[in-house]
Amino acid sequence: GNSVTQMEGPVTLSEEAFLTINCTYTATGYPSLFWYVQYPGEGLQLLLKATKADDKGSNKGFEATYRKETTSFHLEKGSVQVSDSAVYFCALINTGGFKTIFGAGTRLFVKA
Amino acid sequence: GAGVSQSPSNKVTEKGKDVELRCDPISGHTALYWYRQSLGQGLEFLIYFQGNSAPDKSGLPSDRFSAERTGGSVSTLTIQRTQQEDSAVYLCASSLDEWNEQYFGPGTRLTVT
Repeated sequence: GNSVTQMEGPVTLSEEAFLTINCTYTATGYPSLFWYVQYPGEGLQLLLKATKADDKGSNKGFEATYRKETTSFHLEKGSVQVSDSAVYFCALINTGGFKTIFGAGTRLFVKA
Repeated sequence: GAGVSQSPSNKVTEKGKDVELRCDPISGHTALYWYRQSLGQGLEFLIYFQGNSAPDKSGLPSDRFSAERTGGSVSTLTIQRTQQEDSAVYLCASSLDEWNEQYFGPGTRLTVT
């Protein structure tokens, strides 16, 4: 079946540190991959996506590259800000089209 | 344009009462999802509607939970005989179709006392 595994949080970083949140997936087909973000007190919103192998999604300084060989879609940012404190969810939609599969979420705290 | 809206934003109810939660998806979106998010937890899938197809109800936790989508637009999630463990934020999302990213509403925070 399809599944998404992401690193457990919370992740605590100082401002301007480098961020990596690991995400790996299991899928039988050729999924599209997503990162969603949930800021405190708000609903989820799409952060970035990639629809095929080797694609790189990017937004707001965040990047993630679709690696089929390692079945991964790790989220990175070169210099985090306090305002990046949120919960980050990795997700996939597989070919054949059905409900999105979400990871458990990783909470990020950024300290000033 | 308008995003996904949900009402009410907050609902406090007594144990054993029924509640209805409403979701207005983005116009033209054929797919609609309901999730539950307990405090500090991830997303728990509840139910999925796609066009005129039969809904995927595989995530509903018990027969006290039901949902409908009228006219392919507005959806109502009903919880009968609420229990304290039903307390959570209920999120609705819609997408253009099952292939595309989801747009989430702000959620309904349900508290069962």
